[in-house]
Amino acid sequence: DTAVSQTPKYLVTQMGNDKSIKCEQNLGHDTMYWYKQDSKKFLKIMFSYNNKELIINETVPNRFSPKSPDKAHLNLHINSLELGDSAVYFCASSQGLAGEPLFFGPGTRLTVL
Amino acid sequence: AQTVTQSQPEMSVQEAETVTLSCTYDTSESDYYLFWYKQPPSRQMILVIRQEAYKQQNATENRFSVNFQKAAKSFSLKISDSQLGDAAMYFCAYRSPRGSGGSNYKLTFGKGTLLTVNP
Repeated sequence: DTAVSQTPKYLVTQMGNDKSIKCEQNLGHDTMYWYKQDSKKFLKIMFSYNNKELIINETVPNRFSPKSPDKAHLNLHINSLELGDSAVYFCASSQGLAGEPLFFGPGTRLTVL
Repeated sequence: AQTVTQSQPEMSVQEAETVTLSCTYDTSESDYYLFWYKQPPSRQMILVIRQEAYKQQNATENRFSVNFQKAAKSFSLKISDSQLGDAAMYFCAYRSPRGSGGSNYKLTFGKGTLLTVNP
């Protein structure tokens, strides 16, 4: 019954590694997002896809590459991980219509050592 | 670009009492949407309440209500009869109804207010 799910929930890795986070939503929404929450709890948009098309790309290093194979999935791949990438990454979805709220996944806590 | 400001990094309230969390925002648009989200220690982001700027009536959801002052660009959240389960980080967020570059698709968040509920 989970609406927006992410895997894994925790990810601990070494600097320089490549890792992926997967996201799936079963709400029938047409828009999906990745948000980053830093150590001070600040939430910032990274990417958004609407009907598999990239519509928001907010000044994110190109080591981060989102991929949306279909409307229900949005994955995030990170190359050459750096210490500063440590954060909680949230996937979210919404109907693309204005005013609709975002529904968030449980978050993935990424720790880069 | 829109900005959202939450001026209270932390607040505390006694159980069963009422607390108000502040939020102000900056926009040149006349039509937009505002939200309050709650993030308990489990870190799950939960929608608390939603307000449409073109509606004068303040939104209410059970013990949660807002005081929306459009001219002042203020959107405060009132929690009545506070419960221990209300303890969380609360985020105010803004969504534009239109804009270029997909800006209408995203939520812009404030920095959050950490609410503690004392028994």
